[in-house]
Amino acid sequence: AQSVTQLDSQVPVFEEAPVELRCNYSSSVSVYLFWYVQYPNQGLQLLLKYLSGSTLVKGINGFEAEFNKSQTSFHLRKPSVHISDTAEYFCAVSQAGGSYIPTFGRGTSLIVHP
Amino acid sequence: DAGVIQSPRHEVTEMGQEVTLRCKPISGHNSLFWYRQTMMRGLELLIYFNNNVPIDDSGMPEDRFSAKMPNASFSTLKIQPSEPRDSAVYFCASSSGLITGELFFGEGSRLTVL
Repeated sequence: AQSVTQLDSQVPVFEEAPVELRCNYSSSVSVYLFWYVQYPNQGLQLLLKYLSGSTLVKGINGFEAEFNKSQTSFHLRKPSVHISDTAEYFCAVSQAGGSYIPTFGRGTSLIVHP
Repeated sequence: DAGVIQSPRHEVTEMGQEVTLRCKPISGHNSLFWYRQTMMRGLELLIYFNNNVPIDDSGMPEDRFSAKMPNASFSTLKIQPSEPRDSAVYFCASSSGLITGELFFGEGSRLTVL
């Protein structure tokens, strides 16, 4: 079984500042990792994913994440945020080659202030 | 292509009434998931279908909840009788299984039980 911990429930930041949303996972097997974004009153949509290969993954809207196997982390970063990035962000993990049902974290609310 | 389509978007009902939520997955996707999202519990997986067959319903809270998938293009989640604690946003998601763990979510059905 796998689990996901999003260390911050809420991250306030000013516009144009950098941001990092933290995600740690636990699993006894190889994993696939995902970040989803949920804008107000909408469903979740995929931001980026790590399946294999380069540990630095680039996604939509200028976001990127780095897979760190030794630290079992998959932190999401953006060098300069916009007001429109205000949303809920979910980290998810699934087992590579196994049951591919993803396990979601509790979410991190990113609040971008002008 | 059309995404996952859910209806109704909003439902307000009284305790004891039957509620039926509907979902049309993306054409060609062979897996369908029902999730419930609340502030207290976050995103919970209720049930998962693969090729129209329920695979894992361990997340269904109790016998008042039931889900069906009569064909590849339609699924329902029914609550009978409904209770105030069922108030939540219910999401349907589908997956092709080709990119393991990547889900495509609908916009959700917001249920309020008075």
